[in-house]
Amino acid sequence: ETGVTQSPTHLIKTRGQQVTLRCSSQSGHNTVSWYQQALGQGPQFIFQYYREEENGRGNFPPRFSGLQFPNYSSELNVNALELDDSALYLCASSPALAGLGEQFFGPGTRLTVL
Amino acid sequence: DQQVKQNSPSLSVQEGRISILNCDYTNSMFDYFLWYKKYPAEGPTFLISISSIKDKNEDGRFTVFLNKSAKHLSLHIVPSQPGDSAVYFCAASGWDNAGNMLTFGGGTRLMVKP
Repeated sequence: ETGVTQSPTHLIKTRGQQVTLRCSSQSGHNTVSWYQQALGQGPQFIFQYYREEENGRGNFPPRFSGLQFPNYSSELNVNALELDDSALYLCASSPALAGLGEQFFGPGTRLTVL
Repeated sequence: DQQVKQNSPSLSVQEGRISILNCDYTNSMFDYFLWYKKYPAEGPTFLISISSIKDKNEDGRFTVFLNKSAKHLSLHIVPSQPGDSAVYFCAASGWDNAGNMLTFGGGTRLMVKP
């Protein structure tokens, strides 16, 4: 069974640029959530996708957008990058929308905005 | 507004002794609580959870206690082992949130000394 994978591992961008991060969910999981983890803090929920539709969103501006594909993999897009967007971006998948709790996390993408 | 708080950023314990990690929450709509463990360069991994209808859940060396009236939960690790050294996050979920969005605390770094 393949776990959650994310690419790339590290990324350096400059302010104002756009970035796309990718996530492959664990086999059999149809729900993907994205989290931003700033240094020294806990992960913060960005949004969740269930069967290719956004199912919920945290307190993040519209320049954070996402997609989920028919194979349940997902992308996180961030436009007009700001210095504060520097963080670890975590993707998590779960087997169903209903059923609270355990999510399976990938190793994350470390984004640095200069 | 931090809905889930871990007030101790770090904890140091001797091998073989008990580790107690604490977490407080403010949102009374949370009804499912989880603990995740995170090693460097890896995503968080699920450790143990508890539903709000229970006050204790045990899994091997790990026990989670929930005090709903105090909006407080704790994770006990007995006996602590050096391999337990990691950052521990408590997280909460509830149906007032988007899907099964998790709200995380800021984390506690546990160091178990041999």
